Amino acid sequence: SQQGEEDPQALSIQEGENATMNCSYKTSINNLQWYRQNSGRGLVHLILIRSNEREKHSGRLRVTLDTSKKSSSLLITASRAADTASYFCATDTGRRALTFGSGTRLQVQP
Amino acid sequence: DVKVTQSSRYLVKRTGEKVFLECVQDMDHENMFWYRQDPGLGLRLIYFSYDVKMKEKGDIPEGYSVSREKKERFSLILESASTNQTSMYLCASSLKGDYGYTFGSGTRLTVV
Repeated sequence: SQQGEEDPQALSIQEGENATMNCSYKTSINNLQWYRQNSGRGLVHLILIRSNEREKHSGRLRVTLDTSKKSSSLLITASRAADTASYFCATDTGRRALTFGSGTRLQVQP
Repeated sequence: DVKVTQSSRYLVKRTGEKVFLECVQDMDHENMFWYRQDPGLGLRLIYFSYDVKMKEKGDIPEGYSVSREKKERFSLILESASTNQTSMYLCASSLKGDYGYTFGSGTRLTVV
């Protein structure tokens, strides 16, 4: 099974609401990264959080990391229709390439 | 901005054909990767490379090979295309260390 598993698989919210996505993983990590993918396109790197960090912000994004629970969450505040995309977590375990989860599909209704 | 360019957005090939997927990055990144993406399976690592002429197998290398003759170019080769290789192929590159990946736009390959 995947190293990273996102939850929920799909999320539908209204514009202006906050969206929270979770990621759980199995083995110890060096860092965890979040990516966005618009339909049919490549992935775009959003944010990287290292194993010794607990929280990180970038604009409307907030990422938390709990290494004791092997989990991370991505919060998008004040969602916009343009945030509609799939979001993936990816773990760097020192294995020399990232391992990706299956993603959360976010739909933001205008 | 770093740019990763994949040569084709859409490709249709016949079973048994030899298929080349090209990927070029323009920012001197050491690391390059090939993933395939299928519904419900996320991204799966096919091959990666940390230096010119160097390659390492990922999780699903069977039926594929790669070539990295120059630092900026990483090619994925399907030796004899099969229908189960119909997929979205994503190339990425990164610097060494704790850095994110830059992805190309992807090649959607259909094998008929």
